[in-house]
Amino acid sequence: TQLLEQSPQFLSIQEGENLTVYCNSSSVFSSLQWYRQEPGEGPVLLVTVVTGGEVKKLKRLTFQFGDARKDSSLHITAAQPGDTGLYLCAGVKPNTGNQFYFGTGTSLTVIP
Amino acid sequence: DTAVSQTPKYLVTQMGNDKSIKCEQNLGHDTMYWYKQDSKKFLKIMFSYNNKELIINETVPNRFSPKSPDKAHLNLHINSLELGDSAVYFCASSPRQGYNTEAFFGQGTRLTVV
Repeated sequence: TQLLEQSPQFLSIQEGENLTVYCNSSSVFSSLQWYRQEPGEGPVLLVTVVTGGEVKKLKRLTFQFGDARKDSSLHITAAQPGDTGLYLCAGVKPNTGNQFYFGTGTSLTVIP
Repeated sequence: DTAVSQTPKYLVTQMGNDKSIKCEQNLGHDTMYWYKQDSKKFLKIMFSYNNKELIINETVPNRFSPKSPDKAHLNLHINSLELGDSAVYFCASSPRQGYNTEAFFGQGTRLTVV
């Protein structure tokens, strides 16, 4: 069992549809990040959330940190083929310095 | 200029060999990491260094040995390679201690042991 579980694991949708990816844990995190990874590349940071209940928007992407800081969600509105990739959440646990615990990943394919 | 660079990008080698992967970051960050990404795309931390000092050493076989000659470099040496070591290895760095930080990743090294 991984510390951060993401769902769904795989998602294939048509261009223009909306989707939500979930990142859940039984542990509390000081902060949580979302990354996107494209084939042959390393993960690239999308956003960091640090306050329970915090909502951040990045164009068509909306990120939310759970009130208890144990979970997060990523919502994409009107998905585009350019959104295709592997989405990873990562949490920093209290008192662990900079150790990032990564989620199990969600592979998104947006079909034109 | 590439912020976090790893070499080589691809590495194919036979079982039992010893190999090294190099990592350099030009971001001025104090903390560097090695992660292993398995075939299911799960990223697991292996090592973390802060200012050349080992901070995190997860449960990794002692065939894996990181070396940090200075805070801009963190190399990974692997002895007696095994089939199960095949994976993509990522180097990363982060700018500061504390919770409000982020990781910057290299492009990865795909290691294939045959």
